[in-house]
Amino acid sequence: NAGVTQTPKFQVLKTGQSMTLQCAQDMNHEYMSWYRQDPGMGLRLIHYSVGAGITDQGEVPNGYNVSRSTTEDFPLRLLSAAPSQTSVYFCASRQGARSSPLHFGNGTRLTVT
Amino acid sequence: AQSVTQLGSHVSVSEGALVLLRCNYSSSVPPYLFWYVQYPNQGLQLLLKYTSAATLVKGINGFEAEFKKSETSFHLTKPSAHMSDAAEYFCAVSDRAGYSTLTFGKGTMLLVSP
Repeated sequence: NAGVTQTPKFQVLKTGQSMTLQCAQDMNHEYMSWYRQDPGMGLRLIHYSVGAGITDQGEVPNGYNVSRSTTEDFPLRLLSAAPSQTSVYFCASRQGARSSPLHFGNGTRLTVT
Repeated sequence: AQSVTQLGSHVSVSEGALVLLRCNYSSSVPPYLFWYVQYPNQGLQLLLKYTSAATLVKGINGFEAEFKKSETSFHLTKPSAHMSDAAEYFCAVSDRAGYSTLTFGKGTMLLVSP
């Protein structure tokens, strides 16, 4: 069972470059989300989606874009990378019910120099 | 918006000792509550969840948590720590209404010494 797959695992960018972090799930989950994890800060929600064509902002959306054209995929785009975006990024999905647990990918470690 | 507070960024116990990790939430209406564990260089895994049935919830690996509405708490316990329990633990909360997102606490690192 693949679950939630994130690519790449590691990435180094220079300031100002753009890139897309990929996330795919094979569980037919309606809800998908992106978090960033920083030391001492826990996980903070960047963007989320409750279904194809529907996205919304989380706690820390600035500098990131998302789209949801299919149920399976939820890519996260960094438009112009900044050192403050150095972090570990996690994609997570769940069934529609709010009581359902999130299923996490293994993360993408991004460094912006 | 929901918030969750985890007391103690680090907790140290000896192998075989009781594990107690504290979590308090801010809500007048009992939310859905979750505990997740993260091992090094991995994603988060669900330990247990509270959705409104029994207030004492049992999870994987011998962990359990008790929901106490009067104290707005959902503390995680394990009677006897094992070396393999060393990891970071996150409490998370979700509202029962709306497009509910999951809000995480800042995490508690559990250190287990022999």
